[in-house]
Order: sequence, then C-alpha cells, then structure tokens
Amino acid sequence: EIVLTQSPATLSLSPGERATLSCRASQSVSTYLAWYQQKPGQAPRLLIYDASNRATGIPARFIGSGSGTDFALTISSLEPEDFAVYYCQERSFWYTFGQGTKLEIK
Amino acid sequence: EVQMVESGGGFVKPGGSLRLSCAASGFTFSNAWMSWVRQAPGKGLEWVGRIKGITDGETTDYAAPVEGRFTISRDDSKNTLYLQMNGLKTEDTAVYYCATGTWKYFAYWGQGTLVTVSS
Repeated sequence: EIVLTQSPATLSLSPGERATLSCRASQSVSTYLAWYQQKPGQAPRLLIYDASNRATGIPARFIGSGSGTDFALTISSLEPEDFAVYYCQERSFWYTFGQGTKLEIK
Repeated sequence: EVQMVESGGGFVKPGGSLRLSCAASGFTFSNAWMSWVRQAPGKGLEWVGRIKGITDGETTDYAAPVEGRFTISRDDSKNTLYLQMNGLKTEDTAVYYCATGTWKYFAYWGQGTLVTVSS
C-alpha cells in the first residue's frame, strides 16, 4: 500500500505570496498523481492531474510538478479564494489520498 | 453539464444497514467508472470502492476497511449508483461522495450525503 505524506500540515501565507505544497509517496507512483482543492462544506475540486496538467478551468497560477516519489503544488500568487485544504491523490494501484495541507490566511 | 446527487444518508445504530444512491446526468453513465469516497468529520478523504463501466465488466473493488461489509452496484437504465452498507461501525461516520472522471482521477463529485453511525 502506498502512503502519501503531505507537508506542511498547515501553511500560513498572505494574498499575493507564493505557496508551495509538498506530497511525498512511499514508493514511486510515476506521474500518476493529482491535486484537489476543498473548501468548507464543498466537495473536492480537481486542480492538477498526471502531476503537472491543469484540469479544465483551473487558473494558470496553479502549477504541479514532480515525478516518482516527490511532488509539489505551487500557487504562484495567492488569491483570497485559494485559501482552502489541498489533497494529493495517487492512482498507481488503488486510490490513495494524502492527509491534506490547510492553506490559511496569515 | 455533469451532475451527481447523492441521497440516502442518515442516522443508524452500530450494526445497522443503509443504502446510498447517486443519481448521475450529463455524461454516458454506463461507461463511467464510478467511485465512492468518504470523509469523516474534520478528517481527510478516503476512497471506499469503485465499480467499472459496462464495457469493462462492471467489476468492483473495495478498500480494506469496508471489504465484505459494503457493496457497490449500479443501474445503468436509471443512471444511478448505489452503496449498500451493512454491519456499520461508528468509524463509518462520514460524508459519502460519489465521484467519477477517468480511471485515475476524480474530475466530478456529488455534493455528498452524511452518514452518522451512533448508539
């Protein structure tokens, strides 16, 4: 079973700043990795798939990178609506989610 | 437009049963791989199980914590996905989402339905 470890657990930043979220897999998942955003009371929204491809309608400030075991989601300049919880998910075997990173306003 | 609407959640005692439904529209339901994903209060996301589309044999797979207790099925004539939950435990308390997309990721989610298991 693959374990995804996200860091940090909480990230406190201000609008306009750059955010970098990390997701590390316990073994290689190639590029079978996605990122989701979830706001309170809402379902998750797919942001990035196959490690670096933006889903339909996702702004260019969301950038995914990485392969193998180390991945990152970068938000180049935070907008007020970006403060949320972010999850990574792998699909090399089953569907495993990381524990999430909460991006909060500083 | 893709839409998925879950229903059937509620309050149940440990050991009880519940059946959730997910009514889908806006895509070719019969070919879609459909999953259930749950989220315990204040916790992260957990995949529950999946049923493949008709062209892939409609086979099912489950996460270890629910294997043998939960059953996923579908009625392609009604564009509806089901989750039959038996032998419910307190740790099954969660919002249950139906989700679909590709065989790898979940591009579309329902709004979720809350299941509370408590004595």
